[in-house]
Amino acid sequence: GAVVSQHPSWVICKSGTSVKIECRSLDFQATTMFWYRQFPKQSLMLMATSNEGSKATYEQGVEKDKFLINHASLTLSTLTVTSAHPEDSSFYICSALPGQGAGTGELFFGEGSRLTVL
Amino acid sequence: SQELEQSPQSLIVQEGKNLTINCTSSKTLYGLYWYKQKYGEGLIFLMMLQKGGEEKSHEKITAKLDEKKQQSSLHITASQPSHAGIYLCGAGSSNTGKLIFGQGTTLQVKP
Repeated sequence: GAVVSQHPSWVICKSGTSVKIECRSLDFQATTMFWYRQFPKQSLMLMATSNEGSKATYEQGVEKDKFLINHASLTLSTLTVTSAHPEDSSFYICSALPGQGAGTGELFFGEGSRLTVL
Repeated sequence: SQELEQSPQSLIVQEGKNLTINCTSSKTLYGLYWYKQKYGEGLIFLMMLQKGGEEKSHEKITAKLDEKKQQSSLHITASQPSHAGIYLCGAGSSNTGKLIFGQGTTLQVKP
């Protein structure tokens, strides 16, 4: 089946530094990818929609300058947490919508990336 | 905005017992997804329902969407320890791929 891969799976960084998380669709092209955030023992919160070749669409309350999203190719979207602080520590998960998958039902999720900011 | 409410929030059952998890939407559902997640890991797709009254099964898991398309249930028959995890319902459109999730139901299955 289709696979979405995230890298790194976990990262620890110092407060004030920036961290980049990659989301790749390994065997399909994805014009649209989504970034979610999950706090411990809570559900997934949609952060933004990443559109290939155009600006990301952010959900209300999500800081665009804090969470930079780039979708430079049909198989890669990146999320950069800029000037990270301890409150940014979380589990970040991406999902990808196959270009030809509309209506088939399945959306594919990455394995997630755990960010810890010291 | 659409909200999803899952119940129960957590569940502990004895191996071999049946169980049901419910997902109620504040608005009509156009696509209802069920995923399973192990804590700290990605999501595993279980099923997707679109039509009122639709029912799908995979192995020992059955999901239903009511006729009014505002409630879905996930039923596990003869539960096993491998069924343990967090079950999430998500609402959205398979055309856009954008999902809003319920708060999740944590399932523990005691051997």
